[in-house]
Amino acid sequence: DVKVTQSSRYLVKRTGEKVFLECVQDMDHENMFWYRQDPGLGLRLIYFSYDVKMKEKGDIPEGYSVSREKKERFSLILESASTNQTSMYLCASSPGLARTGELFFGEGSRLTVL
Amino acid sequence: DAKTTQPTSMDCAEGRAANLPCNHSTISGNEYVYWYRQIHSQGPQYIIHGLKNNETNEMASLIITEDRKSSTLILPHATLRDTAVYYCIVRLNSGYSTLTFGKGTMLLVSP
Repeated sequence: DVKVTQSSRYLVKRTGEKVFLECVQDMDHENMFWYRQDPGLGLRLIYFSYDVKMKEKGDIPEGYSVSREKKERFSLILESASTNQTSMYLCASSPGLARTGELFFGEGSRLTVL
Repeated sequence: DAKTTQPTSMDCAEGRAANLPCNHSTISGNEYVYWYRQIHSQGPQYIIHGLKNNETNEMASLIITEDRKSSTLILPHATLRDTAVYYCIVRLNSGYSTLTFGKGTMLLVSP
């Protein structure tokens, strides 16, 4: 069974803290994505990556950075967490160029910034 | 601007077919229609996609009108576990084109 695993289901952090959200996929997919989901706003793309060490900005990259040192792992970094980054974060992966629309999502990480 | 329009919510009786409509009147010739669903407290799940021909898989059928301006996702025998938000998305099927999720349709399947 295909699997995208996010390191934490629930996190509580303080304003100004550095936050790492980790995502690992076991399907040897080239593409990985980070979305956030907020009530009334739906899912919004933060960053994505089509290859190791490669990253592309999505629709709302401000306040975030990413790292992809290995094919199976894609990390989302909040350098200095703020309360408006309280959200559900969803990681996804997809096969190569021909199937980038078929995303496999993790269960999500709910981050609360106090 | 939204590229797709879906009803906010729909109801369906268990065991009946659920037909979820989607309007995409500005779709271009090289854009595909994708459907995802999201069950409460889970990540979205890919269902099906198509270009212009009708498609069927183990989860659902996708009917696309001849002018491609609208489509319908059909769950032939809805179960309670099909209660979810269903997203219709149009997307260029090229490598660097990402998915933009709208607000979707909340489908409630009742006993």
